[in-house]
Amino acid sequence: DAGITQSPRHKVTETGTPVTLRCHQTENHRYMYWYRQDPGHGLRLIHYSYGVKDTDKGEVSDGYSVSRSKTEDFLLTLESATSSQTSVYFCAISESRTGVVTDTQYFGPGTRLTVL
Amino acid sequence: GENVEQHPSTLSVQEGDSAVIKCTYSDSASNYFPWYKQELGKRPQLIIDIRSNVGEKKDQRIAVTLNKTAKHFSLHITETQPEDSAVYFCAADSGTYKYIFGTGTRLKVLA
Repeated sequence: DAGITQSPRHKVTETGTPVTLRCHQTENHRYMYWYRQDPGHGLRLIHYSYGVKDTDKGEVSDGYSVSRSKTEDFLLTLESATSSQTSVYFCAISESRTGVVTDTQYFGPGTRLTVL
Repeated sequence: GENVEQHPSTLSVQEGDSAVIKCTYSDSASNYFPWYKQELGKRPQLIIDIRSNVGEKKDQRIAVTLNKTAKHFSLHITETQPEDSAVYFCAADSGTYKYIFGTGTRLKVLA
């Protein structure tokens, strides 16, 4: 599991409220990612991080922001949740071995978010 | 933008038969092609991957082939078993440690 946890695992919220999802890893991996998974769309990259305070946009970044103030935590924020953001959100890491980043990507357990 | 197309979206096979899932990619600079298996309610898990300097890779009943000229790669599962039933995703790298995923194939192995 590469030591990845996500919180919360389930959340129901209302349109217009802010939501923050947390990804936590314990193995000092440099690259972290947020994806959303929707039927018929597979996994789509929202944002990713290549180091503390270093982040970049993915293909579906509108309406989302991220922050990484510590190596182990990558936060995804929906500033004002909309029903179109109802989805399953997966965090992932690209494995780093002895400081060298590899292509091998591992996923967290996922967060199911419902926006009413 | 770059994309990865995956076919078929659903696939049903009889237990013991082979299953083949195909993906095409658009980024000619892609060099890394992983395959993930996702069981219902679980996280995607890497099952096999291939790099552009290799044409084929096998791991027991699973194999992946890559044709860089045609920009397509395929997953082959032989002697399918009920526990192979899941959704399978292909992916290709696009930029430094960024990946684009296919839309998934739901494989059903019928007993």
